[in-house]
Amino acid sequence: QKEVEQNSGPLSVPEGAIASLNCTYSDRGSQSFFWYRQYSGKSPELIMSIYSNGDKEDGRFTAQLNKASQYVSLLIRDSQPSDSATYLCAVNDGSNYQLIWGAGTKLIIKP
Amino acid sequence: NAGVTQTPKFQVLKTGQSMTLQCAQDMNHNSMYWYRQDPGMGLRLIYYSASEGTTDKGEVPNGYNVSRLNKREFSLRLESAAPSQTSVYFCASKPGTSSYNEQFFGPGTRLTVL
Repeated sequence: QKEVEQNSGPLSVPEGAIASLNCTYSDRGSQSFFWYRQYSGKSPELIMSIYSNGDKEDGRFTAQLNKASQYVSLLIRDSQPSDSATYLCAVNDGSNYQLIWGAGTKLIIKP
Repeated sequence: NAGVTQTPKFQVLKTGQSMTLQCAQDMNHNSMYWYRQDPGMGLRLIYYSASEGTTDKGEVPNGYNVSRLNKREFSLRLESAAPSQTSVYFCASKPGTSSYNEQFFGPGTRLTVL
């Protein structure tokens, strides 16, 4: 059974601090990795995608991938109350079509 | 562009009733997906269509049927609704055939089966 594991949280972070979200996956054949943000009552929207080992930065967001450890993380710098949401980690299942989804981590940014 | 649209937004059914959830995308995407999302759980794939004319089962297909009507539209049918099908249903689409392409989501349908 291919799995993606995330800490369900909630993860509480003070405004302005760095929020660190983690995800582990079981399928060594996975090639693409996605972080989606989902506000309460809304649909998921893509925040970051990463395909190679190392870091990928986009504004306040940094995705980190370590394929040897089967570990993906998302760092949010200068956290804002508007970052409060559930963050979903998704990993391709080795095919071109399907993603395996984690259950999500609820992030709360405290003013 | 409207992106991915879904109808209806909300629906209440009685056990045993049937209904069809509609999804359409105007981004010329090849692949389309139906997911359900239950509290505390990740998205679970019901069915997907890699391209027009093809459909395949996902993780939780029992109790559902799908139709890829054309490249734009992908519908999900519940033939005899059960309370266990109470959930939020999301349709998504993806361009191309690469695993590197992201999926784009519709706004969701909140379904309650009494």
